[in-house]
Amino acid sequence: EIVLTQSPGTLSLSPGERAILSCRASQSVSSSYLAWYQQKPGQAPRLLIYGASSRATGIPDRFSGSGSGTDFTLTISRLEPEDFAVYYCQQYGSSPITFGQGTRLEIK
Amino acid sequence: QVQLQESGPGLVKPSQTLSLTCTVSGGSISRGDYHWSWIRQHPGKGLEWVGYIYYSGSTYYNPSLKSRVTLSVDTSKNQFSLKLSSVTAADTAVYYCARGGYYAPFDYWGQGTLVTVSS
Repeated sequence: EIVLTQSPGTLSLSPGERAILSCRASQSVSSSYLAWYQQKPGQAPRLLIYGASSRATGIPDRFSGSGSGTDFTLTISRLEPEDFAVYYCQQYGSSPITFGQGTRLEIK
Repeated sequence: QVQLQESGPGLVKPSQTLSLTCTVSGGSISRGDYHWSWIRQHPGKGLEWVGYIYYSGSTYYNPSLKSRVTLSVDTSKNQFSLKLSSVTAADTAVYYCARGGYYAPFDYWGQGTLVTVSS
């Protein structure tokens, strides 16, 4: 099983700042089958990034993903008020499918 | 626009079987383009993939739950279902159905349904 470790656990930033979230895998994620999701309280997760760096439909270009192998990053270039939420990475190239434990992005 | 909706009892007694159904609209399960998954989230915790099913009925389960999980599909109703047997309080969670899983991200999700295991 691939274990995904996200850091930091909580990130406190202000609107307009840049957010950098990390996801490290215990073994290589095949073919960059790595996704990022955003979850707000009481809502289902929303797909932001798939294939490590491809934005899902309708996702603003301030969200970008990068990385390969075991190290992946989600960057939000300029935080908007609606971006404060919990973010999860997920790998879907190896069974069982696994998620990271999440990074909480909170308003400073 | 694909939409998914979970349905089923919100309260299940310990040792009984949890049963949920996901109804898909805006897209046909039998088209065969995607697998269909169940994911759960314990209160205040992270996400755990339960398993996925294909329109043909082929399934793949999370090994941690495999002995208790059964997924099924009804293409005539455009639905797929989850059964989890011998539940305990540890199975209390929000259960989501979603499209994807087999080398595909989860791009569409249901709103989720809270299932509480309690006597």
